Amino acid sequence: GAVVSQHPSRVICKSGTSVKIECRSLDFQATTMFWYRQFPKQSLMLMATSNEGSKATYEQGVEKDKFLINHASLTLSTLTVTSAHPEDSSFYICSGVRTYDQPQHFGDGTRLSIL
Amino acid sequence: QKEVEQDPGPLSVPEGAIVSLNCTYSNSAFQYFMWYRQYSRKGPELLMYTYSSGNKEDGRFTAQVDKSSKYISLFIRDSQPSDSATYLCAMTATNFGNEKLTFGTGTRLTIIP
Repeated sequence: GAVVSQHPSRVICKSGTSVKIECRSLDFQATTMFWYRQFPKQSLMLMATSNEGSKATYEQGVEKDKFLINHASLTLSTLTVTSAHPEDSSFYICSGVRTYDQPQHFGDGTRLSIL
Repeated sequence: QKEVEQDPGPLSVPEGAIVSLNCTYSNSAFQYFMWYRQYSRKGPELLMYTYSSGNKEDGRFTAQVDKSSKYISLFIRDSQPSDSATYLCAMTATNFGNEKLTFGTGTRLTIIP
């Protein structure tokens, strides 16, 4: 149990476009979802925490107008990278939490490449 | 000093060997400890999670926590080539779930057939 699905797995697009990444909890209701960014050979960097029906809480240094997070239901959170530029190219990973006494379960990530 | 220190490796061991992976931490408030395995170009996969000090075993994997030394370990017995991955330790203070995780940098492990 506790499967998190992320879509798409790979995106290549031109500079200036906006990209939406979906994160779904397939077999549980995720009260909290997290969005991370990971650079090659580095650990995960938390970008924001979202609770269903609430505004996301962004980490220091993460532009909330650049990275729009919507957690409209208990099984879906989306991350939209607006007006993406090459420096936004990275591996984006989401995770979901079923209950506070269970660890985070991660999706398989989205590799974003901005040309 | 980072809150969580983890040797990045790379660590190469022959198939069948026992692997020991470790993390040290400085925040004595951490009580919830996790180990994740991450294959290349994939998301982290939860392997083990433990609360406070002690040992926990699951198949070929054993997690140990020594809070007095602020030291956690993951042991892999009878290592297989499929165990080749990056192993991340993670920890939190209040609960497993809806609290921000503090990660180690990850240890890259290669099992040589």
